[in-house]
Amino acid sequence: EAQVTQNPRYLITVTGKKLTVTCSQNMNHEYMSWYRQDPGLGLRQIYYSMNVEVTDKGDVPEGYKVSRKEKRNFPLILESPSPNQTSLYFCASSFQGSDQPQHFGDGTRLSIL
Amino acid sequence: DAKTTQPPSMDCAEGRAANLPCNHSTISGNEYVYWYRQIHSQGPQYIIHGLKNNETNEMASLIITEDRKSSTLILPHATLRDTAVYYCIVRVPYNFNKFYFGSGTKLNVKP
Repeated sequence: EAQVTQNPRYLITVTGKKLTVTCSQNMNHEYMSWYRQDPGLGLRQIYYSMNVEVTDKGDVPEGYKVSRKEKRNFPLILESPSPNQTSLYFCASSFQGSDQPQHFGDGTRLSIL
Repeated sequence: DAKTTQPPSMDCAEGRAANLPCNHSTISGNEYVYWYRQIHSQGPQYIIHGLKNNETNEMASLIITEDRKSSTLILPHATLRDTAVYYCIVRVPYNFNKFYFGSGTKLNVKP
C-alpha cells in the first residue's frame, strides 16, 4: 500500500533532549516536506527536499534540522527541543511538479515539557 | 501567490450533495486548484485537483468557473464520515513546493 509513515505517532519529552521524528515513503517520490500544525495558525511548512541531498527552508525552520540521504526517508531533527515546538507534525511527499498531489502521513503529536 | 477565500463552516444533510465554494480571484492561468480535507487531527487527505476543466473522481467533483476565479467542490452524497475541514489551495508552478492551506471550511454533515 502506498503510504507515508511517520514515527513516533506520539511523544512527550523534556526541554533540551534531542529527538528525531522519522518519515518514510514507499512511492519513489522525489519531493518530501515537513509541516507543523498549531491551533489558529494552520499548517506551516518547516523544511522541504526536492531530491536526495537537496533540502531547503520553509516558512518556520528555526529550531529544526533535516537530512535527505535516501530518497525514501526524510527525518526531522529537534536538536534542543523547547516548549514552543509542541505541535502536531506532518510529513508529506509527492512527485515533482505543480500537478502532482502531496500525500501526507498520519501525523506526530509532540509535547515538549 | 493566489489567495483563497472559503466560508468558515457549512452544514449538509446526510445523503445530500455538499457544495463547498472557494474564491481565488487572483489566480493565474497556470496555477492548479487543489482540494484536501482533514478529519479531526489526521493527516490531510488529497481529494481532487484541476487546472481549467471540471474534474471528477471517485470521491468528488471539482467545478472551476470559466474565468477560473472560483471553484466548487461537490461531494455528491455526503455521509457522516465526510465531516471534516476542507481546504482549497492554489498551487503555483514556479514554486510548487509552497502549499498554503489557509483556514478551510468546516463541513458538518448531520443525520
